[in-house]
Amino acid sequence: AQKVTQAQTEISVVEKEDVTLDCVYETRDTTYYLFWYKQPPSGELVFLIRRNSFDEQNEISGRYSWNFQKSTSSFNFTITASQVVDSAVYFCALDTGTASKLTFGTGTRLQVTL
Amino acid sequence: GAVVSQHPSRVICKSGTSVKIECRSLDFQATTMFWYRQFPKKSLMLMATSNEGSKATYEQGVEKDKFLINHASLTLSTLTVTSAHPEDSSFYICSARGDGVKETQYFGPGTRLLVL
Repeated sequence: AQKVTQAQTEISVVEKEDVTLDCVYETRDTTYYLFWYKQPPSGELVFLIRRNSFDEQNEISGRYSWNFQKSTSSFNFTITASQVVDSAVYFCALDTGTASKLTFGTGTRLQVTL
Repeated sequence: GAVVSQHPSRVICKSGTSVKIECRSLDFQATTMFWYRQFPKKSLMLMATSNEGSKATYEQGVEKDKFLINHASLTLSTLTVTSAHPEDSSFYICSARGDGVKETQYFGPGTRLLVL
């Protein structure tokens, strides 16, 4: 069975602070894909990144960076110099060849204030 | 690229009526489409998976006669909530994926359903 844990329910930071959102996953499959999605107040889920299990390289995209560590089954997401527009719920998700569907974490609500 | 639309964005209906929600992939062919339900401040709950031209696969606990899914083409899937009741009020989101699990699911903007 697949499982994704986002232990942080809510995080509140002041603008320009760095913030890391944690994601821990469980699967017995050796081939799998990890995702992060952003859900702003409007409701639409916005795709941020996909990472496959064979690629442990960290990725940076502007102020966003992701740290994938198979040894700890974690796929953490860091926002550098946070902005108010980053306020949203962020979901980590897992897709495996066996399940062929996304297993979502419970989400982390990020509130960035001035 | 990878745009998914959903219509309507919001619907209010009377108890007992049926509501149809459309999900379209605008710039790619969606071999597989997914329907989710989301309660306030909760995560997404997968309701069903549909492959073009096949019957949908429903998750455990989801009534297939209540939530009718049709995936008639590679760009369109519909969810019909039949004989809607207030407890069906929710946020329904679809997603679409190209060919294969290695592809990413792209989500529509969601439909807020309120049943009075």
